[in-house]
Amino acid sequence: DQQVKQNSPSLSVQEGRISILNCDYTNSMFDYFLWYKKYPAEGPTFLISISSIKDKNEDGRFTVFLNKSAKHLSLHIVPSQPGDSAVYFCAAYTSGTYKYIFGTGTRLKVLA
Amino acid sequence: DAGITQSPRYKITETGRQVTLMCHQTWSHSYMFWYRQDLGHGLRLIYYSAAADITDKGEVPDGYVVSRSKTENFPLTLESATRSQTSVYFCASSPVTGELFFGEGSRLTVL
Repeated sequence: DQQVKQNSPSLSVQEGRISILNCDYTNSMFDYFLWYKKYPAEGPTFLISISSIKDKNEDGRFTVFLNKSAKHLSLHIVPSQPGDSAVYFCAAYTSGTYKYIFGTGTRLKVLA
Repeated sequence: DAGITQSPRYKITETGRQVTLMCHQTWSHSYMFWYRQDLGHGLRLIYYSAAADITDKGEVPDGYVVSRSKTENFPLTLESATRSQTSVYFCASSPVTGELFFGEGSRLTVL
């Protein structure tokens, strides 16, 4: 039973445009959400996070939005750059458990 | 240098053999994790540990054993490897709250 889902396996975007990556979750106990970026042959690296008490968090070109009623979060990258081409994973956990559950990933390709 | 290191980076073994993947972190993070990455499944949690001598099952623990006698080490053992355990394995660590820091991964092939 997949508790964190990324329904789009891949996404292509033109350089300079907005990239929107989506993530849905089923466990209403999750209260902390993270996005990770992964390049081939490397470990995932942390990108941005949001706690359930917020609905938006920004860090430079990256913004994460959380819609708790829809159990949905999204990552916006503006403007997209070729170096952003990677696999993006969303993850979630419940405070106190630290059992981080990841989605299946979305491969983003930013076209120059 | 401080960080999290995994060894070996690449391993080929045969069905039925025991394999141990090592993970070492220098930050003294309380939490450590083992994930496997497979196409179509993303990153799946195998085991995690909140502190030395405290471990717990993740999503896919069957066929794996972990131990944590020291805070900095978290080895993962496949007691009798199967072909379905061919995967890329990632170790990660975390302070009490916040982000996970991942190692570079160990690619395991079971023939």
